[in-house]
Amino acid sequence: GESVGLHLPTLSVQEGDNSIINCAYSNSASDYFIWYKQESGKGPQFIIDIRSNMDKRQGQRVTVLLNKTVKHLSLQIAATQPGDSAVYFCAENQAAGNKLTFGGGTRVLVKP
Amino acid sequence: DSGVTQTPKHLITATGQRVTLRCSPRSGDLSVYWYQQSLDQGLQFLIQYYNGEERAKGNILERFSAQQFPDLHSELNLSSLELGDSALYFCASSVTSGINTGELFFGEGSRLTVL
Repeated sequence: GESVGLHLPTLSVQEGDNSIINCAYSNSASDYFIWYKQESGKGPQFIIDIRSNMDKRQGQRVTVLLNKTVKHLSLQIAATQPGDSAVYFCAENQAAGNKLTFGGGTRVLVKP
Repeated sequence: DSGVTQTPKHLITATGQRVTLRCSPRSGDLSVYWYQQSLDQGLQFLIQYYNGEERAKGNILERFSAQQFPDLHSELNLSSLELGDSALYFCASSVTSGINTGELFFGEGSRLTVL
C-alpha cells in the first residue's frame, strides 16, 4: 500500500488502550463536523459525525466530543486495535457551503 | 469497498501534458466531489457537482476542469501539468447535494506523478 507521506503528528498507542485524537477547527460558523479514517493505500472512510447543537456523540467504540467555545473536536477510540492504525482527519463544514475542509491529520500507530 | 470507482489508479506523465481522471459514484448518489491530497497540503477540496451541475468550488486551478455526465460519472481534467500537481486525487460521492446531510464515500484515489 502507499502512504500519503504527510509529516503528521503521530500517536502511538498500546493495543487495548484508549486513544484520543484532537483537532482544532478554525471557523466558528462551522456547524457540522466529521471524523474520517484513512488507511494506507485507501481513501478516507467515514467514522462518525456531529452537529454543532451537540457536544457528544457515541458510535461503536468511538466517541466524538465537540467544544465550540474553544473550537475543539476530539475523537476517542476505546480499546484500540491493530486495525485502528491509520491517519485520522477531522473535517468541518459551514452551514452555507458544501466545502468540507479537512484538518491536517493525525497518524495513529497501534503497538501490539 | 465504498462503491466509488476511480480510474486510473496510477498515472505517470510529463510536465506540460494533459490527463483525465474518471470517477463513477456509488449507485444512486447524485453528488460527486473531487479532492487533491498532496504531501504538503493535506486534503484539499477542488469541486463538487450535483446531478450534472457545478455546485461548489474550492481551490481548483484554472488549468483544471471537471464535469459530471448524464450517467453521473465525473471526469477531472488536468492540463499543462506541473511537477507540483503530483498528488493523490480522490473522488467522493453522496446522495444529497449538501455535505451536512450525510457522509461522503471516497474512492481509492488516482495517484498522479508528473515527471
